[in-house]
Amino acid sequence: GEDVEQSLFLSVREGDSSVINCTYTDSSSTYLYWYKQEPGAGLQLLTYIFSNMDMKQDQRLTVLLNKKDKHLSLRIADTQTGDSAIYFCAESTRAAGNKLTFGGGTRVLVKP
Amino acid sequence: NAGVMQNPRHLVRRRGQEARLRCSPMKGHSHVYWYRQLPEEGLKFMVYLQKENIIDESGMPKERFSAEFPKEGPSILRIQQVVRGDSAAYFCASSSSLENEQFFGPGTRLTVL
Repeated sequence: GEDVEQSLFLSVREGDSSVINCTYTDSSSTYLYWYKQEPGAGLQLLTYIFSNMDMKQDQRLTVLLNKKDKHLSLRIADTQTGDSAIYFCAESTRAAGNKLTFGGGTRVLVKP
Repeated sequence: NAGVMQNPRHLVRRRGQEARLRCSPMKGHSHVYWYRQLPEEGLKFMVYLQKENIIDESGMPKERFSAEFPKEGPSILRIQQVVRGDSAAYFCASSSSLENEQFFGPGTRLTVL
């Protein structure tokens, strides 16, 4: 079955860049996503990338996809204290009804 | 356009009782997904429904759990005879089509005493 893995924790200073990494196993993934979850809240879609792309930039967010190594990363430039949250990587396959398979989440702590 | 609504936000049940979780998708959305998040874990897919049809229930336990999405009204996730291991946050997401983004509700946090 599909599997998505992430590191558990990342600590970063305010103003620095954060890089969150994710690996996945399903080579038929159609889309790859990054979601943000703040305490007690639902999930907010930050960005997503089609599997035939290798990079997407959206303001402070840059997503890199290495399809050969099945590696996805999210870079947050100029990290702010409001970026402290849990970040989930997820993948979906259209053939599987686009259900999302999530990683375990990376808890990002931004220190002032 | 209101987002995905879930109620209740918090639900406490004793072992053996039934839990009913409701999800109202965004207006115009006919695809509903349910996910479960156990403490300190990621979300796990449970079931995918379109209006009146279960499309994929491969992530849902075979016993005690059921889901429906009637022609009128919200989608319901029903858990019969709850056990402590059912304590989790249950999230619903909706989309307008397979190509489009899933929008998540705020979740229902179920606690089984």
